[in-house]
Amino acid sequence: DAGVIQSPRHEVTEMGQEVTLRCKPISGHDYLFWYRQTMMRGLELLIYFNNNVPIDDSGMPEDRFSAKMPNASFSTLKIQPSEPRDSAVYFCASSLRQTGELFFGEGSRLTVL
Amino acid sequence: DAKTTQPNSMESNEEEPVHLPCNHSTISGTDYIHWYRQLPSQGPEYVIHGLTSNVNNRMASLAIAEDRKSSTLILHRATLRDAAVYYCILMRGTSYGKLTFGQGTILTVHP
Repeated sequence: DAGVIQSPRHEVTEMGQEVTLRCKPISGHDYLFWYRQTMMRGLELLIYFNNNVPIDDSGMPEDRFSAKMPNASFSTLKIQPSEPRDSAVYFCASSLRQTGELFFGEGSRLTVL
Repeated sequence: DAKTTQPNSMESNEEEPVHLPCNHSTISGTDYIHWYRQLPSQGPEYVIHGLTSNVNNRMASLAIAEDRKSSTLILHRATLRDAAVYYCILMRGTSYGKLTFGQGTILTVHP
């Protein structure tokens, strides 16, 4: 398997623009997670899904952030409008509950100017 | 959520064993102890996890104290590729997947 695939790997945008980050989880995994990493706050869980259903979105910073999982093989994290403080590396991870192991993608580095 | 305490940094020489400590004095009975590591410019990588008994896998060993208030990740022979930030994380059994990452331990491996 190719692992968790994220796109784009790098995104530079201007404040106010919409940003969409994409994730393809490992086939057969039933959990999907979105994390954000910054120097100041470290790694933070934003939201996670089980069988395509959002379970806990308490980590989503504000209404500008939204996440969807229309099917088992695809998820998006959208920021609209983006702000400079959203600059971070966003990681997607997937897992099988039975194994307890999360597999992370390589991340999407977002820079908002 | 119960918290973990790790040293900010540790150093090791290549091919020597490394013992990375983690304190979790407020751990509850349903908390699993997870270890992840993050190599430079990469996403976190699962290392090992356990509940009460010591665990071994191809990457490392996890030694859990009898009272579960501390644990130690053991890398049996460090390589340069093991240089990374190591995170000790408690995950409540009822909150699957909610990993709360702390600052971790920066491991430097010298040739």
